[in-house]
Amino acid sequence: NAGVTQTPKFQVLKTGQSMTLQCAQDMNHEYMSWYRQDPGMGLRLIHYSVGAGITDQGEVPNGYNVSRSTTEDFPLRLLSAAPSQTSVYFCASSPGTANSNQPQHFGDGTRLSIL
Amino acid sequence: AQSVTQLGSHVSVSEGALVLLRCNYSSSVPPYLFWYVQYPNQGLQLLLKYTTGATLVKGINGFEAEFKKSETSFHLTKPSAHMSDAAEYFCAVRGYNTDKLIFGTGTRLQVFP
Repeated sequence: NAGVTQTPKFQVLKTGQSMTLQCAQDMNHEYMSWYRQDPGMGLRLIHYSVGAGITDQGEVPNGYNVSRSTTEDFPLRLLSAAPSQTSVYFCASSPGTANSNQPQHFGDGTRLSIL
Repeated sequence: AQSVTQLGSHVSVSEGALVLLRCNYSSSVPPYLFWYVQYPNQGLQLLLKYTTGATLVKGINGFEAEFKKSETSFHLTKPSAHMSDAAEYFCAVRGYNTDKLIFGTGTRLQVFP
């Protein structure tokens, strides 16, 4: 049982480059989300999805795009990387609002550096 | 709006000493509360959760937390710290009928021999 899988684990980009962070879960979870973790700031929600075809903005959405074409996958796209987007990114999933007492399951993270 | 405050960004204890990590929440509705632990270079792992029922919740690795509605608190404790407990700990709150988690800023626990 893989849980939540994030790729890549590490990435270095140059300012202005674009890239996609991949996230896949095999638990048939409806809810998926992306967070960024920065020192002293905890985890901040970037975007989330309550099901295939439905996405919404979180606390810090600027500079990021998401889509949810399948239940399993929730990629995060950086349109034009900026040094302020240097961070550790986590993807998480949970069953859905009907089971909202269930915890979110987290991937191992992607460490992204923008030069 | 919901929010979480973790008092103390760093806590240091000696091995064998009591661990107390503080978490206070703000929520207009009865919340679901969670503690997660993050070991270096790893993702977040669930320690314990409060949803309904018993207010004293036991989790993994000997940790427990007590939901106190009157104090809007959900402090994490462990009677005797172990070196392997050194990690960062996050408190999180979620309201009823939503999956969105609001995290505190985290507390880094150091354990000295």
